[in-house]
Amino acid sequence: SQQGEEDPQALSIQEGENATMNCSYKTSINNLQWYRQNSGRGLVHLILIRSNEREKHSGRLRVTLDTSKKSSSLLITASRAADTASYFCATALGSGGSYIPTFGRGTSLIVHP
Amino acid sequence: SQTIHQWPATLVQPVGSPLSLECTVEGTSNPNLYWYRQAAGRGLQLLFYSVGIGQISSEVPQNLSASRPQDRQFILSSKKLLLSDSGFYLCAWTGLAVTDTQYFGPGTRLTVL
Repeated sequence: SQQGEEDPQALSIQEGENATMNCSYKTSINNLQWYRQNSGRGLVHLILIRSNEREKHSGRLRVTLDTSKKSSSLLITASRAADTASYFCATALGSGGSYIPTFGRGTSLIVHP
Repeated sequence: SQTIHQWPATLVQPVGSPLSLECTVEGTSNPNLYWYRQAAGRGLQLLFYSVGIGQISSEVPQNLSASRPQDRQFILSSKKLLLSDSGFYLCAWTGLAVTDTQYFGPGTRLTVL
């Protein structure tokens, strides 16, 4: 299995601080994606990084990928209370019709106002 | 734009009763469709995926089944629910684009008593 595992399981910070979450996986991947889930809701796609990319940015989000260490990190800068949610990484080897992602258990982020 | 619907939003069912959860996608054609289950505080467990009408792949052996009677309709069923079937059920779709991004529905909270 190429299951991604997020670390830490829970993170509690103050508004304005940065939040860093990590994801480790086991086998080769085609791409890695980060998703956000507010309590009791569906997942929302945040950012995708391909296996040949090392870093991507989207607004206050920064994602890195180290394929040699089979790990990725998600950095949320200048966090806000509205960033409180669970964050999941998803990895997949295939794409298109054979896209079968595997999700980790997630990092629960609490941002205190 | 594309949207994905799930219903019902919440469901309380007795052990041994049947189940039918429905997922429909609008605004796209020939999507890949997925059913996930999420236990409280846990990650997503892929149950079924489908790449076309009548094509269902099962990832986890259990008392659940899935069907895809139409291109944009995905149904999760059970003849007799177990207590362990309780959880948050999420439907998702992807297009055939290279990005392989999954779009999730709002979910169905199932409680089996």
